[in-house]
Amino acid sequence: QKEVEQNSGPLSVPEGAIASLNCTYSDRVSQSFFWYRQYSGKSPELIMSIYSNGDKEDGRFTAQLNKASQYVSLLIRDSQPSDSATYLCAVISYNNNDMRFGAGTRLTVKP
Amino acid sequence: KAGVTQTPRYLIKTRGQQVTLSCSPISGHRSVSWYQQTPGQGLQFLFEYFSETQRNKGNFPGRFSGRQFSNSRSEMNVSTLELGDSALYLCASTPGGTGGYEQYFGPGTRLTVT
Repeated sequence: QKEVEQNSGPLSVPEGAIASLNCTYSDRVSQSFFWYRQYSGKSPELIMSIYSNGDKEDGRFTAQLNKASQYVSLLIRDSQPSDSATYLCAVISYNNNDMRFGAGTRLTVKP
Repeated sequence: KAGVTQTPRYLIKTRGQQVTLSCSPISGHRSVSWYQQTPGQGLQFLFEYFSETQRNKGNFPGRFSGRQFSNSRSEMNVSTLELGDSALYLCASTPGGTGGYEQYFGPGTRLTVT
C-alpha cells in the first residue's frame, strides 16, 4: 500500500462546477496535510495546509480532513480553465519530518 | 521576500559524470529538502537538511548526497550519473523549528543524462 494515494485521473469538470479531489494516507500518526498545484513544466505551488479535523476554506478552495478515516480532500468551487493542473496531496508524519507526496490527480476544467 | 532559487535550471551530462545542484532557500528559512520528480515515480524525497545537519534521508543510493551551509544554502551532488537519473530535481524550503511545516518549492533543475 502506498503511503499517500490519490486517483490519478484525469478528472474533467465543466467551467463553474465543483471539482473534488481526494487523498488517503496510510500512516495513522500523520500530522500535517498539504495540497499543491503543479502546472505542466512548473514546480509545485502550495495551495492549502490543514492540520486539524474539519474544513478549512481559502477563497474558492476548501480542504477537508478526517483523521479517523485517514482522508483529506480538496474542493475547488467555481472551477476555471486556469485551475487545470495536477494536484498533489502531501503528508508529514510524526514519525519523520519528510513530506510524502501522492502521485497527483490531473484536473481539466473545460470551458 | 524572494522565493527559492535553484541553479542551474537546465543541465545535460553524460553517464559516469557527476553533477552539483544548488539551492538558495527563502530568507530566514532554515530547512531545505530535495526531491526527484520523474513521470513514472512522481515526487520522491531525497533528503532534508536543517541547520547544516541532515535530518532525514529517502531511499536513494549513496551516489546522491547533499550538504547545507551556514547561510542555509544547500547543494546536492550526484556522482557516477546513470541514464535513470534524468529528472527534475526540486528544492523546497521550510521555516523549520516552530515556524511551520509548509514547503515552498524552487523552479527546479532539469537534468538530462545521455
